[in-house]
Amino acid sequence: NAGVTQTPKFQVLKTGQSMTLQCAQDMNHEYMSWYRQDPGMGLRLIHYSVGAGITDQGEVPNGYNVSRSTTEDFPLRLLSAAPSQTSVYFCASRGQLNQPQHFGDGTRLSIL
Amino acid sequence: KQEVTQIPAALSVPEGENLVLNCSFTDSAIYNLQWFRQDPGKGLTSLLLIQSSQREQTSGRLNASLDKSSGRSTLYIAASQPGDSATYLCAVQGGSEKLVFGKGMKLTVNP
Repeated sequence: NAGVTQTPKFQVLKTGQSMTLQCAQDMNHEYMSWYRQDPGMGLRLIHYSVGAGITDQGEVPNGYNVSRSTTEDFPLRLLSAAPSQTSVYFCASRGQLNQPQHFGDGTRLSIL
Repeated sequence: KQEVTQIPAALSVPEGENLVLNCSFTDSAIYNLQWFRQDPGKGLTSLLLIQSSQREQTSGRLNASLDKSSGRSTLYIAASQPGDSATYLCAVQGGSEKLVFGKGMKLTVNP
């Protein structure tokens, strides 16, 4: 079982560049979300989706865009990268309420 | 605003000890509480999920309890092993899709 797959695993960008972090799940989960993990801050929700075509903002959405055209995929776009977006990004998915979240292995992103 | 606290931030123990990891949260209006394990450079692995109507869940050497009224959960690890070394995080799910995480507790089990 592949579970939640994130690509790339590592990325270095220059300030002002844009990029897309990919996330795909093969469990037919309706709920998908993006978190960032920073030292001393824990994990914080960026954006989430409750199904294809439906997205909403989390706790720290500024500077990020998402879309959900299929059940399987939930890409995260950085519009104009800033050093403050240096972080580890995790994608997660789950089935119904009270089912556990499944996390990908993360994308480690550095903005210079 | 929901806040989740895990104390201490780190713990180092000899192999074989029984461990209790603590998690506290400020708002008792939750759907569930989850315990995760994170190994260095890896994602989070769900260990146990306790629904708000439940008191505890067990999986192998792990047992998690939930006291929603007092805003506390504990994760009990029996007969700890070096392979249990990792960071353990608890998270609560309230009325939205958002999981609120504690900052985690780094566990080191020494052979």
